[in-house]
Amino acid sequence: GAGVSQSPRYKVAKRGQDVALRCDPISGHVSLFWYQQALGQGPEFLTYFQNEAQLDKSGLPSDRFFAERPEGSVSTLKIQRTQQEDSAVYLCASSRDSRQAGELFFGEGSRLTVL
Amino acid sequence: SQQGEEDPQALSIQEGENATMNCSYKTSINNLQWYRQNSGRGLVHLILIRSNEREKHSGRLRVTLDTSKKSSSLLITASRAADTASYFCATESGGTSYGKLTFGQGTILTVHP
Repeated sequence: GAGVSQSPRYKVAKRGQDVALRCDPISGHVSLFWYQQALGQGPEFLTYFQNEAQLDKSGLPSDRFFAERPEGSVSTLKIQRTQQEDSAVYLCASSRDSRQAGELFFGEGSRLTVL
Repeated sequence: SQQGEEDPQALSIQEGENATMNCSYKTSINNLQWYRQNSGRGLVHLILIRSNEREKHSGRLRVTLDTSKKSSSLLITASRAADTASYFCATESGGTSYGKLTFGQGTILTVHP
């Protein structure tokens, strides 16, 4: 597709449920990032992939958060046993290569509400 | 944690006026970028300025960077109602090698027609 595609756009989960959020980056983009954006805040880094390799997961808030990109294209962010504090917009972004000084192309985000 | 602090947190102006937003950061950087986010949407890249640059222009946008003060400003000239959005600065720190960005809290800009 022309841009970064995320699904679902909206997800409501009951506390304790598992959720999976999907990101389809721009074709051929090597780098893929996941960010979490709380209401009224800037995005906060969660994790980074270079192709299929997860090179940085320092931002994942707990071991309930897991991300994968098995074939170096589509990525899934999984949150197990969701908690209310997980409610946020989860943004995926990709960039052409793994070198410095590149702009990020963002998807529209997946808004997660945990009841 | 967020590297940048932006001010003002909110800015309300009339169409045709200029809007200036400021960003301060804490660590050394490779580059600084500005993004716009319309309500409920993803972020859109506006402009990138490298650490060895002091000023950059793109259309109605002017960005300055002062690495000695660890600060940047974004000027939007002749604003339009369509410029209403949140604006974020983002820094790529000197310690990373793959383009990881750290975002500020953002400035909410409202342009009244």
